[in-house]
Amino acid sequence: EDQVTQSPEALRLQEGESSSLNCSYTVSGLRGLFWYRQDPGKGPEFLFTLYSAGEEKEKERLKATLTKKESFLHITAPKPEDSATYLCAVYSGNTPLVFGKGTRLSVIA
Amino acid sequence: GAVVSQHPSWVICKSGTSVKIECRSLDFQATTMFWYRQFPKQSLMLMATSNEGSKATYEQGVEKDKFLINHASLTLSTLTVTSAHPEDSSFYICSAKPGLFSNQPQHFGDGTRLSIL
Repeated sequence: EDQVTQSPEALRLQEGESSSLNCSYTVSGLRGLFWYRQDPGKGPEFLFTLYSAGEEKEKERLKATLTKKESFLHITAPKPEDSATYLCAVYSGNTPLVFGKGTRLSVIA
Repeated sequence: GAVVSQHPSWVICKSGTSVKIECRSLDFQATTMFWYRQFPKQSLMLMATSNEGSKATYEQGVEKDKFLINHASLTLSTLTVTSAHPEDSSFYICSAKPGLFSNQPQHFGDGTRLSIL
């Protein structure tokens, strides 16, 4: 059974304080790992897809990396507008996306 | 690109009413659409998967007669909550992708907050 574990559950950062969010997964044949951002009262917004170990993707202050067991979402010099819940999900081709429980990020000015 | 539109964004209605929520993919053909339910501060809970032109596949514990799903075209899926009761109050979110076995990302609507009085 595919499983996704995200840590930490919640993270509080000062503005400009870089950090990383972790997504550990077990899956029978990874076909894609996805990162989403969800703001309160909104649907998840797609950020990145990673398909194979060693792959990296960047967008503004965010950088996602992938190994065979986990993915990291690195946030460099975060701003208050980066505050949101970040969701990780995996796709193995046999079932719908399997989501982690998310990391609630708060960036304080 | 890859925009999914969901309407309405907020519904308040009386107990016993049936409520229909629409989910449209605006700039791509969505062979597969998904319906999720989300409780406060919890992750997404998949309710059902629908493929255009066929019956939806419901997750265990989801009542198919309570939550009717229709995916009649490649750009539109609807979720009808029949005879809604206060316990059906929740945040419902749809998503879509080009094909069930596609490894392309799912794109989500902005959700519908349903409140049953």
